[in-house]
Amino acid sequence: AQSVTQPDIHITVSEGASLELRCNYSYGATPYLFWYVQSPGQGLQLLLKYFSGDTLVQGIKGFEAEFKRSQSSFNLRKPSVHWSDAAEYFCAVGGLTGGGNKLTFGTGTQLKVEL
Amino acid sequence: GAVVSQHPSWVICKSGTSVKIECRSLDFQATTMFWYRQFPKQSLMLMATSNEGSKATYEQGVEKDKFLINHASLTLSTLTVTSAHPEDSSFYICSAHPTGSGNTIYFGEGSWLTVV
Repeated sequence: AQSVTQPDIHITVSEGASLELRCNYSYGATPYLFWYVQSPGQGLQLLLKYFSGDTLVQGIKGFEAEFKRSQSSFNLRKPSVHWSDAAEYFCAVGGLTGGGNKLTFGTGTQLKVEL
Repeated sequence: GAVVSQHPSWVICKSGTSVKIECRSLDFQATTMFWYRQFPKQSLMLMATSNEGSKATYEQGVEKDKFLINHASLTLSTLTVTSAHPEDSSFYICSAHPTGSGNTIYFGEGSWLTVV
């Protein structure tokens, strides 16, 4: 069975500081990996995804993530955090089942940005 | 870009009544849609896989008689919460997958259900 672990429930960083959100996964085959952001009371926005190829993936809003198969990790990074980045971040792993991608989400990391 | 629309965005209903939530792909066809539920301050949990023209596949622990899923067309899946109770209050969100592009996922905006 596939699973995702986000070890950090809450993270607080100062605006302008760098950010790394951790994600570890368990999956039997080559995983499809995703990072989503959820602002309060809103749905999900896809930040980036990894399916294959270059293990360093660039996403929107200046985010990037690196797939490390040996560590079963897909950590999300941003060099300089902006106050508007404060939100909940979810890592997800999925694989093709029938006609689509069934995702398993991590428990989320709540990011707080101090001005 | 592709858009998945959910309706209603929020709904308040009385305990014991049924509520229908629609998930609609606006500019593509989706053979498969997924329904997730998110309790406050928790992660998203997959409830069921909705397949056009066939029965939905439910995850373990999800009552299929309580959460009725109908995927009658390639652009519409509905989730009906029957005999709703306060513990069903949650954020329900669907995802749709364009037919023939299994890697691509689009999420709806989500629907807030409050049962009073």
